[in-house]
Amino acid sequence: KQEVTQIPAALSVPEGENLVLNCSFTDSAIYNLQWFRQDPGKGLTSLLLIQSSQREQTSGRLNASLDKSSGRSTLYIAASQPGDSATYLCAVPPKAAGNKLTFGGGTRVLVKP
Amino acid sequence: GAVVSQHPSWVICKSGTSVKIECRSLDFQATTMFWYRQFPKQSLMLMATSNEGSKATYEQGVEKDKFLINHASLTLSTLTVTSAHPEDSSFYICSASKDDYGYTFGSGTRLTVV
Repeated sequence: KQEVTQIPAALSVPEGENLVLNCSFTDSAIYNLQWFRQDPGKGLTSLLLIQSSQREQTSGRLNASLDKSSGRSTLYIAASQPGDSATYLCAVPPKAAGNKLTFGGGTRVLVKP
Repeated sequence: GAVVSQHPSWVICKSGTSVKIECRSLDFQATTMFWYRQFPKQSLMLMATSNEGSKATYEQGVEKDKFLINHASLTLSTLTVTSAHPEDSSFYICSASKDDYGYTFGSGTRLTVV
C-alpha cells in the first residue's frame, strides 16, 4: 500500500527566503506525482505534474524534482512571497492513470512580510 | 486544459433534508471522478470513486445510502447527502483526472447543516 509523507508539517519563513518542501513515498511504481496548493476553504490548485519518466518540472518560481529510486520529490519555491502562504500537498496515483490519489499530510506554509 | 466545476460553493440546509452537489468536467470527458471530504485543518479523505455508467465504489466506513453518487454522463457526477445531520457539515471536493494534466479538483462545497 502506497504511503506518502510530507515533512515538515508546517513552515514559517520571512518573505524572500526560498522554500523547500519534501515529499516521500514508499512504492516507487508511480505513474506520476503531482503537487497541489490549497488555500483555506478552497479547493486544490494543481501546481506541477511530474511524469514518472521526468526528473523535474518548473513553472515560474516553482521547481519540483522527482527521484523515483529513493521515493522522494522536493518542491522548491524561490523568493517566497506572503501570497505563497497556503498548504502544499503532494499526491501520487499508483501504477496507472485514473486510479485514486494517495496524498501526503501536507505542509502548511506561512510567509511573513 | 482540464477544468472541473463544482456547485454550489456553499449550502446551508436543515437537518433531515437532502442536498445535491454537482461536479462537472468542462473541457474533457471523465469516466472516473472522485469525491472527498475534508474537516478543518485535516487532509482530504476519499469518500468514493464515481464511475460513469456503473455503481460508485465507496471507501470503508462511508455509508453509501447516506452519500448517494450518480455518474450518469461523462461530464457530470453528483453527490447527494441524504437526511443530512449536523455531523455531515464539512467541506466536500470532487476531482477528475485527464491524461497529461493529472488530477483536477473542483473548488469545493461548504455544507452546513443546521
